[in-house]
Amino acid sequence: DTAVSQTPKYLVTQMGNDKSIKCEQNLGHDTMYWYKQDSKKFLKIMFSYNNKELIINETVPNRFSPKSPDKAHLNLHINSLELGDSAVYFCASGTRSLLSYNEQFFGPGTRLTVL
Amino acid sequence: DQQVKQNSPSLSVQEGRISILNCDYTNSMFDYFLWYKKYPAEGPTFLISISSIKDKNEDGRFTVFLNKSAKHLSLHIVPSQPGDSAVYFCAASADTDKLIFGTGTRLQVFP
Repeated sequence: DTAVSQTPKYLVTQMGNDKSIKCEQNLGHDTMYWYKQDSKKFLKIMFSYNNKELIINETVPNRFSPKSPDKAHLNLHINSLELGDSAVYFCASGTRSLLSYNEQFFGPGTRLTVL
Repeated sequence: DQQVKQNSPSLSVQEGRISILNCDYTNSMFDYFLWYKKYPAEGPTFLISISSIKDKNEDGRFTVFLNKSAKHLSLHIVPSQPGDSAVYFCAASADTDKLIFGTGTRLQVFP
C-alpha cells in the first residue's frame, strides 16, 4: 500500500492558469508538508500542517494556498501560475512531538511544468 | 544562505568498497540530522538519522558519523551495492520538524 500518494504525477499547464495538487497519507501521521525541488535540486519546505492547522509557512507567494480538509489530506492550490513555478513538488508526512524527532515520509512527487 | 552543504555532487564507487558521503552545516542550533536516499522519479526515502548527543549511529551497512566541532557529518555505506546507486540528501533540524536539506550527492556503484 502506498503510504504517501500525490496526484497528478505530471502536470503541464499554461502560464496564468490555476491548478491543484492533491496529497493523501495513510500512515496515521498528524503533520503534513509541502516541499519544492527547483531546477538546482534544492529541496525546500513550503508549508506544514499539524492537525489541519498551519504551522510552517516559508515566505511562499500567496498564490500558493494549502488546504487540509482532514489530517490525512493536504492539497496545494496554485493561482496564476508563473514560469518560475516549474518544479517538482513533494508532499510528506510525519509525527510532530516535543519528545521525539520527526522522520518525514515523502510522496513520489508531482512534476509541474508551466509553459 | 545555504545552511546544509553537500560539496560533492557525485561519487563513483566500486561494488564491495566503502562509499563515504559528506555533509557540512553552518547552523550550530541544528540538533538532529537525517540522510535520505532518492531514486529517479520517486520521493526521498528516509535512511538513517542521528541526534546531536551522539557521534555515531549504525544500521546494517549504513553508519552516520557526526563531528559537532567541525559541523560535519558523513554517511558510510559498506559494502556498497549496485542498488545503492541513487541521490543521497543530508538534512538537518533545529528542534522543530522543519528540515533543511542539502543539494544531494549522486552515488554510482559500479560492478
